[in-house]
Amino acid sequence: QQQVKQSPQSLIVQKGGISIINCAYENTAFDYFPWYQQFPGKGPALLIAIRPDVSEKKEGRFTISFNKSAKQFSLHIMDSQPGDSATYFCAASKAGGGADGLTFGKGTHLIIQP
Amino acid sequence: DSGVTQTPKHLITATGQRVTLRCSPRSGDLSVYWYQQSLDQGLQFLIQYYNGEERAKGNILERFSAQQFPDLHSELNLSSLELGDSALYFCASSVDASSTYEQYFGPGTRLTVT
Repeated sequence: QQQVKQSPQSLIVQKGGISIINCAYENTAFDYFPWYQQFPGKGPALLIAIRPDVSEKKEGRFTISFNKSAKQFSLHIMDSQPGDSATYFCAASKAGGGADGLTFGKGTHLIIQP
Repeated sequence: DSGVTQTPKHLITATGQRVTLRCSPRSGDLSVYWYQQSLDQGLQFLIQYYNGEERAKGNILERFSAQQFPDLHSELNLSSLELGDSALYFCASSVDASSTYEQYFGPGTRLTVT
């Protein structure tokens, strides 16, 4: 059972455009939603994270939008740059007993064309 | 650089063998998580240790085991290796026991089983 569904699988955006990646989750016990960026040959790097008590969080060119009722969250990359070309993973986890690490989406391969 | 170190970077071994992967967490972090990344399964949580004690278990095979030592470094032991165990293995560390705190990933160990 895939608990976090991520789309699209791949995305091509022109330089300066907005990249949008979407995720949906099933487990209502999830209460922490990070995004990770991974370059080839490297480990995932924490980009930005949100908790369900807010609907939006912005850090520089990166924004997470969160819709608790729809159980969806998305990553927006404004003014996308070629250096943003990477694979992006959404993830979710829950606090308390039975916590079991991060549950990841399948990833989105993002290419920013110059 | 996340501050998490992993050795070795690459490992090539034969089916049926046993290997040990090593991870040193960021300074001050007490939790260590192990994840497996493969093309078909994506990033999957294996196991978590917090301050020397097993905290949570994910999709870890019985042939795999881990431990965390008093100096907080961790080792993941993989035995009776099969071709399907070929993957990237990441460890991540966090300051707290809860998986809802920021996890920082190491550069990974690429395991190839021939």
